Amino acid sequence: DADVTQTPRNRITKTGKRIMLECSQTKGHDRMYWYRQDPGLGLRLIYYSFDVKDINKGEISDGYSVSRQAQAKFSLSLESAIPNQTALYFCATSDSGATNEKLFFGSGTQLSVL
Amino acid sequence: AQSVTQLDSQVPVFEEAPVELRCNYSSSVSVYLFWYVQYPNQGLQLLLKYLSGSTLVKGINGFEAEFNKSQTSFHLRKPSVHISDTAEYFCAVRVTGNQFYFGTGTSLTVIP
Repeated sequence: DADVTQTPRNRITKTGKRIMLECSQTKGHDRMYWYRQDPGLGLRLIYYSFDVKDINKGEISDGYSVSRQAQAKFSLSLESAIPNQTALYFCATSDSGATNEKLFFGSGTQLSVL
Repeated sequence: AQSVTQLDSQVPVFEEAPVELRCNYSSSVSVYLFWYVQYPNQGLQLLLKYLSGSTLVKGINGFEAEFNKSQTSFHLRKPSVHISDTAEYFCAVRVTGNQFYFGTGTSLTVIP
């Protein structure tokens, strides 16, 4: 089983719909992140959480919200999806206690907003 | 604030030729540096990292990178590429206790 699991893998939705992308991890890491990937723009940070009670906005948080339901779960919501939110979304985790902290990524969720 | 610049968006190279993917960063404090690779239809995985010590770091699949503090660079190199190296490569930086910042990526295409 994957250490960082994202569901769904693919989603097509209509403008104005509410969408939730879920992420769970079995690595026991305290930190979790949501990124979106767009061609030519690389990965941009949407939100990050350094522990269950610590949620922070990233560089492109407008139009998104998150919930850290438990240390292992971090969900991303689009309250009213719009076409320019079509992108590949990645969840990632890291361990702040590690001397060589690095990111571990899920396999991604491809979201298309029509 | 930190930022990462990958100067080349696409790099085509013939099989068995050497390759260098460039990465420059800006930061007012010390950073940790990373290269991640994304194979088609997959997530990102760590290729190599620089935390401290020797400025030449070796990673998986024969890749290496050299940290140059004076030039604020962390270029990725491989002396002889294979078809299987075709992928998207991302440079990233992290400041202690803070989040990761990524470059825009370099698409490496190895030509048979």
